Amino acid sequence: KAGVTQTPRYLIKTRGQQVTLSCSPISGHRSVSWYQQTPGQGLQFLFEYFSETQRNKGNFPGRFSGRQFSNSRSEMNVSTLELGDSALYLCASSLARGGGSYNEQFFGPGTRLTVL
Amino acid sequence: GENVEQHPSTLSVQEGDSAVIKCTYSDSASNYFPWYKQELGKGPQLIIDIRSNVGEKKDQRIAVTLNKTAKHFSLHITETQPEDSAVYFCAASQGGEDTGGFKTIFGAGTRLFVKA
Repeated sequence: KAGVTQTPRYLIKTRGQQVTLSCSPISGHRSVSWYQQTPGQGLQFLFEYFSETQRNKGNFPGRFSGRQFSNSRSEMNVSTLELGDSALYLCASSLARGGGSYNEQFFGPGTRLTVL
Repeated sequence: GENVEQHPSTLSVQEGDSAVIKCTYSDSASNYFPWYKQELGKGPQLIIDIRSNVGEKKDQRIAVTLNKTAKHFSLHITETQPEDSAVYFCAASQGGEDTGGFKTIFGAGTRLFVKA
């Protein structure tokens, strides 16, 4: 079974631009979460999507948004990029079996975003 | 707010020795504790996990222990090998499909060096 895929793998943008990152979860997985990883802050939770709905959100400004499609693929958008948005953005998918399940997450390789 | 503290931040051991990484969580609602290994240029890989109704779990050279009363959990790697060198993250997760989804908080990571 193919793992979580993320595109693009690397991205360079300038301040003020916007960017869209894509994540395809493992086949059959219904939940997708996004994380920001930086050397100083570690892995920070951005948001979780399930059945095209955002279920949980971390403490990030409104410039960070996302969505999930009916096939469970997800996109993350960052508008008005700032230098501090430079990071590795990771997507994780989980099966979400229902009722009493645990959040066993599988990560993609990430998208390395550099803001100049 | 919720917090996961991880120690040490760096750990250097000789090949064949054991390595222990410790984490403490703050939210008593946490019920699932995964450990991830991240190698350079890759996303975190789930290596072992433990649920709140279990005190210890072992998988070959890797074991995890959980003390719910003290809110501590630890990763133990025995007979370390150079390929164990990586960054290890602990995490505490809470929620469920019937309670509106999940939220996972990660520790800051431990960089493990195994010297041949």
